[in-house]
Amino acid sequence: ILNVEQSPQSLHVQEGDSTNFTCSFPSSNFYALHWYRWETAKSPEALFVMTLNGDEKKKGRISATLNTKEGYSYLYIKGSQPEDSATYLCAFILNDYKLSFGAGTTVTVRA
Amino acid sequence: DGGITQSPKYLFRKEGQNVTLSCEQNLNHDAMYWYRQDPGQGLRLIYYSQIVNDFQKGDIAEGYSVSREKKESFPLTVTSAQKNPTAFYLCASSITVGRSNSPLHFGNGTRLTVT
Repeated sequence: ILNVEQSPQSLHVQEGDSTNFTCSFPSSNFYALHWYRWETAKSPEALFVMTLNGDEKKKGRISATLNTKEGYSYLYIKGSQPEDSATYLCAFILNDYKLSFGAGTTVTVRA
Repeated sequence: DGGITQSPKYLFRKEGQNVTLSCEQNLNHDAMYWYRQDPGQGLRLIYYSQIVNDFQKGDIAEGYSVSREKKESFPLTVTSAQKNPTAFYLCASSITVGRSNSPLHFGNGTRLTVT
C-alpha cells in the first residue's frame, strides 16, 4: 500500500477567508491524482482528475495544482462559504488501476 | 437519474453471521469497487472488478467475497472470517477498464455494525 498523506487533518476557516491544504504522494510511477469532496450525509463527489505535472484545475472558487516531481498537490478554496464545509479526499492512482486514498482534510467554514 | 444505489443504509448483524451488502449502478460503467472506511483512515480498497465475471482483491480482501454476474451489480459479502467487520462501506464505479483517469462515482454507503 502506497501512502498518501493529507495535511492538515482538519481546519476551521472564517467565512470569506481563503485556505489551502496539501496532498502528498509517492512521486515515482505517477499516473493520476484525484480530488473528491465528501459532504456529510452525501456520497463523495469528484472535483478534479489531474494527470500532468504543473496541471492547474479550477471549479468555481476551488482550484488545485499538481507537482508530480516532488509528489504533492494543493487544493485552494477562495472566499470560503459554509457550503464548502466537507471532507476533501485526494487519491493517487497506481499502475494497476487502483486508487490509494488519503485520510482527508475536513474543512469547517464558520459564518 | 443515473447513479449508484447501496442498500441498506444501516445493517446490524450478530458476530458469526455472513452478511451481503448490495451495490447497483445504472451508469453503464465497466469498473466497480468496494471500499471500507474506518475513523481516521483513508478509504481502503477491498475488491474491484473491471468487467463482468472478473474481479481482483484489493488491499484488505481477507474475510470478504464478491461476485460480478451482471454489469450493474457488485454485491459484497462480509463473512464471519472478517475479524473487524464493523465499518462504513462504500461502493464506487468508473467508466473504463484499465489505467484511466476517469473519476469514481460513489454510492451513499452502508454502515455495518456487528455485535
